[in-house]
Amino acid sequence: AQSVTQLDSQVPVFEEAPVELRCNYSSSVSVYLFWYVQYPNQGLQLLLKYLSGSTLVESINGFEAEFNKSQTSFHLRKPSVHISDTAEYFCAVRAGSSNTGKLIFGQGTTLQVKP
Amino acid sequence: DGGITQSPKYLFRKEGQNVTLSCEQNLNHDAMYWYRQDPGQGLRLIYYSQIVNDFQKGDIAEGYSVSREKKESFPLTVTSAQKNPTAFYLCASSPSSIGSYEQYFGPGTRLTVT
Repeated sequence: AQSVTQLDSQVPVFEEAPVELRCNYSSSVSVYLFWYVQYPNQGLQLLLKYLSGSTLVESINGFEAEFNKSQTSFHLRKPSVHISDTAEYFCAVRAGSSNTGKLIFGQGTTLQVKP
Repeated sequence: DGGITQSPKYLFRKEGQNVTLSCEQNLNHDAMYWYRQDPGQGLRLIYYSQIVNDFQKGDIAEGYSVSREKKESFPLTVTSAQKNPTAFYLCASSPSSIGSYEQYFGPGTRLTVT
């Protein structure tokens, strides 16, 4: 069965510092990988996704994630965070062969950006 | 504007009462999903529907029921059999359950049962 582990439940960081949110998954088949962001009392918004091709994917607001097949990881990084990046971040995986569209989510990582 | 709407945003009920959460989408998506979110546990799948008039149990379906009579609507009923119904409920949709599509989420409904 597939599973997703987000290794840190909370990540405090100062504004303009770099950050990495870690995500590892377990799957014996090809996968699609996603990072979603959730602001308080709101739904989830897609941040970026890996489907195929280049292992480095980027979002429009400066985040990037790298798919590492050998380490089964999809860590999220940003070189310089802003206060507005404070939110909860979810990593999710979906089997490439799935016909149900089911996503398996990690437990979430709360990013706390301090001034 | 295309999107997913969930209503109401906050819902309060007494224990023992059934309650129905609304989810509507105007994205013309075939697939729809219901998740439950609890602090520190991520999102867990309750039910999903790949096409109108069809739905399947997810990982935590006990105490819940759904219907999919229209493509755009996928209401979730939380029954009195659900032992711990207080949670944040999220509805999502996707163009299809097949392929590499991501899921699009609604704003959520926070249900409190006392």
